[in-house]
Amino acid sequence: AQSVTQPDIHITVSEGASLELRCNYSYGATPYLFWYVQSPGQGLQLLLKYFSGDTLVQGIKGFEAEFKRSQSSFNLRKPSVHWSDAAEYFCAVVTKTSYDKVIFGPGTSLSVIP
Amino acid sequence: DGGITQSPKYLFRKEGQNVTLSCEQNLNHDAMYWYRQDPGQGLRLIYYSQIVNDFQKGDIAEGYSVSREKKESFPLTVTSAQKNPTAFYLCASSIFAGSHNEQFFGPGTRLTVL
Repeated sequence: AQSVTQPDIHITVSEGASLELRCNYSYGATPYLFWYVQSPGQGLQLLLKYFSGDTLVQGIKGFEAEFKRSQSSFNLRKPSVHWSDAAEYFCAVVTKTSYDKVIFGPGTSLSVIP
Repeated sequence: DGGITQSPKYLFRKEGQNVTLSCEQNLNHDAMYWYRQDPGQGLRLIYYSQIVNDFQKGDIAEGYSVSREKKESFPLTVTSAQKNPTAFYLCASSIFAGSHNEQFFGPGTRLTVL
């Protein structure tokens, strides 16, 4: 069965430091890949998505993600974190054989130290 | 402004009672979704609807029911058969059901069973 893992449950970084959130998926082919962000008590907002083509994708709020087929990974990065980036981050995949379902990872909670 | 509204934001229910969560969208989207979010488990799909008067069970549909009588509305009823209903419930929509379509999320309803 398809699955998504986010190895880090919680990450703490200092403001201004770089950030990398990890995401790995299990699927026989290349799925569609997404990163969402959720502020406390709120819904999810799409940060970026990958369907095909250039494996480095740019998103909103200064985030980027790189798709690595050999590692089945889609890690999210930001060069300099702001205090407002503190939130829950979810990686999600949609397999090309299941057009109606999005499989979400368990999420990574990010704390930012001023 | 276009978007998704969920009401109420907080909901308390006594054991044995049914309760209905509202979800309305003015984005003219065909597809709508209900997710349940529990700490450390990401989002799990309860029901989804690709078009008016049609809906399908997701991964955890037991104890829940939905209706889709209007394109803009997709209410979720949590029945007394749901054994552990305390959770954060998120409604989402997309232009149509398809793996490359971004899902837009509402702000969520937090349900607590007393």
